[in-house]
Amino acid sequence: EIVLTQSPATLSLSPGERATLSCRASQSVSSYLAWYQQKPGQAPRLLIYDASNRATGIPARFSGSGSGTDFTLTISSLEPEDFAVYYCQQRSNWPNTFGQGTKLEIK
Amino acid sequence: QVQLVESGGGVVQPGGSLRLSCAASGFTFSSYGMHWVRQAPGKGLEWVAFIRYDGSNKYYADSVKGRFTISRDNSKNTLYLQMNSLRAEDTAVYYCAKALRDYGDYGVSDYWGQGTLVTVSS
Repeated sequence: EIVLTQSPATLSLSPGERATLSCRASQSVSSYLAWYQQKPGQAPRLLIYDASNRATGIPARFSGSGSGTDFTLTISSLEPEDFAVYYCQQRSNWPNTFGQGTKLEIK
Repeated sequence: QVQLVESGGGVVQPGGSLRLSCAASGFTFSSYGMHWVRQAPGKGLEWVAFIRYDGSNKYYADSVKGRFTISRDNSKNTLYLQMNSLRAEDTAVYYCAKALRDYGDYGVSDYWGQGTLVTVSS
């Protein structure tokens, strides 16, 4: 099973700042990595799939990059509604696996 | 619009069984693979199972293999998760989720239900 490790566990930033979240895979997942956002009491929301493709309706301030084992989710300028938990997920191998999450909190 | 509505959650004793359902609408259910993903209280997401659009292929997390069975009824636009030999560590909110791409075995989900809570406790 592929293990995804996200860092940092918690990121404290202010609105307007740039956020950079990392996801590292225990083996290559090619570009088959997705990012989700989850707010308290809500289901996850797909942001990015296949490393760099924004899902329908996702604002351009969200971008993804990387391939192989190292991936990054960047939020160019934080809006108040962006403070949430973010998960990466690989679809390269079954079983699919998620990272443990990064909590993005208001500083 | 796409809607996924889970049901069937509740409290069950260790060793017991439960069947979850997910009623789908707003898309051609029979063309898309479907997932179950769970989230223990205060914890992260854990992928549980996937079923191909026609039910011909299924995958499971190691933690549930041999105890859980995913199935679907395309005539009823409904996804199921039969859970047997339940353990305390199966306590979680269970989400059903639609695969982003039709046909094939696609691991990314673009629509999720609101989840149903399963509590395994004596």
